[in-house]
Amino acid sequence: QKEVEQNSGPLSVPEGAIASLNCTYSDRVSQSFFWYRQYSGKSPELIMSIYSNGDKEDGRFTAQLNKASQYVSLLIRDSQPSDSATYLCAGHSGGSNYKLTFGKGTLLTVNP
Amino acid sequence: ETGVTQSPTHLIKTRGQQVTLRCSSQSGHNTVSWYQQALGQGPQFIFQYYREEENGRGNFPPRFSGLQFPNYSSELNVNALELDDSALYLCASSLPGQGNEQYFGPGTRLTVT
Repeated sequence: QKEVEQNSGPLSVPEGAIASLNCTYSDRVSQSFFWYRQYSGKSPELIMSIYSNGDKEDGRFTAQLNKASQYVSLLIRDSQPSDSATYLCAGHSGGSNYKLTFGKGTLLTVNP
Repeated sequence: ETGVTQSPTHLIKTRGQQVTLRCSSQSGHNTVSWYQQALGQGPQFIFQYYREEENGRGNFPPRFSGLQFPNYSSELNVNALELDDSALYLCASSLPGQGNEQYFGPGTRLTVT
């Protein structure tokens, strides 16, 4: 099993809908999780971090972490065309260097 | 607050040459990590520097090396460039203890011909 896996997509939703992005991870990546948004040709931008089981909400974004199922998700409510980007899930294993291990990303397109 | 900056933005090199990429960390961040992102892939960890010492390394050969300076800025050096080194090189800075959230610079697009 890869350390972090994402549905490669692409995912297409209509404007105003809820976009759901999913990620699973292995035992080697089990401490903290991060969602990054990457527009085409740009660098990743941190949009959410989550450290404990449950939900974390920030505006239109909700991150969900389920450590028992080794599953982390990102929900985007009231999706906008400006949300169209690749979403990268990343985790780190703690320890001394806190390297991030990324999934391949899911391309989201929000259609007007 | 100044964000992470990288230079140059784009670079074209020939196979076998050497390249140096530079990164200035976000104000107050003492840890810099470097990642390589190939087209269509997630970023891959190269190494991390903390207080001028290498603090972990990913699965990259020794021709990838780095430095961190007292002002926490950093360099990534790649020797004997290969075609497969063509990628977006990303620098991220962080401050251990603050959730280890890493913030990326704009990246350097390296093309090896």
